[in-house]
Amino acid sequence: EVKLVESGGGLVQPGRSLKLSCAASGFSFNDYWMGWVRQAPGKGLEWIGEINQDSSTINYTPSLKDKFTISRDNAQNTLYLQMSKLGSEDTAIYYCARWGYWGQGVMVTVSS
Amino acid sequence: DIQMTQSPASLSASLGETVTIECRASEDIYSNLAWYQQKPGNSPQLLIYDANSLADGVPSRFSGSGSGTQYSLKINSLQSEDVASYFCQQYNNYPWTFGGGTKLELK
Repeated sequence: EVKLVESGGGLVQPGRSLKLSCAASGFSFNDYWMGWVRQAPGKGLEWIGEINQDSSTINYTPSLKDKFTISRDNAQNTLYLQMSKLGSEDTAIYYCARWGYWGQGVMVTVSS
Repeated sequence: DIQMTQSPASLSASLGETVTIECRASEDIYSNLAWYQQKPGNSPQLLIYDANSLADGVPSRFSGSGSGTQYSLKINSLQSEDVASYFCQQYNNYPWTFGGGTKLELK
C-alpha cells in the first residue's frame, strides 16, 4: 500500500524557516518523481514543485522558487521541503504527492 | 503559466442527477489534464487522468472528456458520497496549475 506521511509542520513566526518531511513507503521511491502541493485554509490547490528520481531536475512554480527548496533522500525514502522567509500567505496545508497518491497533509501556520 | 478556469464554482444537485463540471485552459494542453475529488478534511484523490482515463478504484459513474482547451468531468447518477470539491489540473506545461475548484452539494 502506498503511504505518504508528512511531518514537521506547526506554528512558525514570520520571517523564519521550516523544513517539512514526507516519509514514503509501499512503492519503489527512487522510481518516481515526487512533489509538493499546498492549500490555504478554505482555498484551492497550489502546485509548489516536483523533483525527479535522481534529484537532477527540480521544477518550481515561479513565485515560490526563491523561498522553497525541494530535495529528497532515496536511501531514506524521504522527500523534503525547505521553506524560508515565511509569511502569513504561506499558512496552508502542505501535501506530499506522487502521481496518483497524496499524503494526508501537514498544517503550517505562520503567525507571531 | 497556463490558467485553468473551472466552472461552476459551486453546484447543488439532487441524488440520481447527472452533473457536469467544466475546465477551460488558457492554451492547448493536449489532454494532459487530471480531475481530483476532495472530501472535507481529506486530501485530494485522483479521479481521471489524461482527460478521460479512469483512475484505479474510481466508480464508472465518473467520466472525463474534452480536448484542446476545453474539458469536462461528468458524474452520472449522483450519490451522497460524491459531495465534495472537485479540481482540474493541467500537467502539460510547468508549472502545473489547478482550477479554482467546484464545490458540489446535495439539493
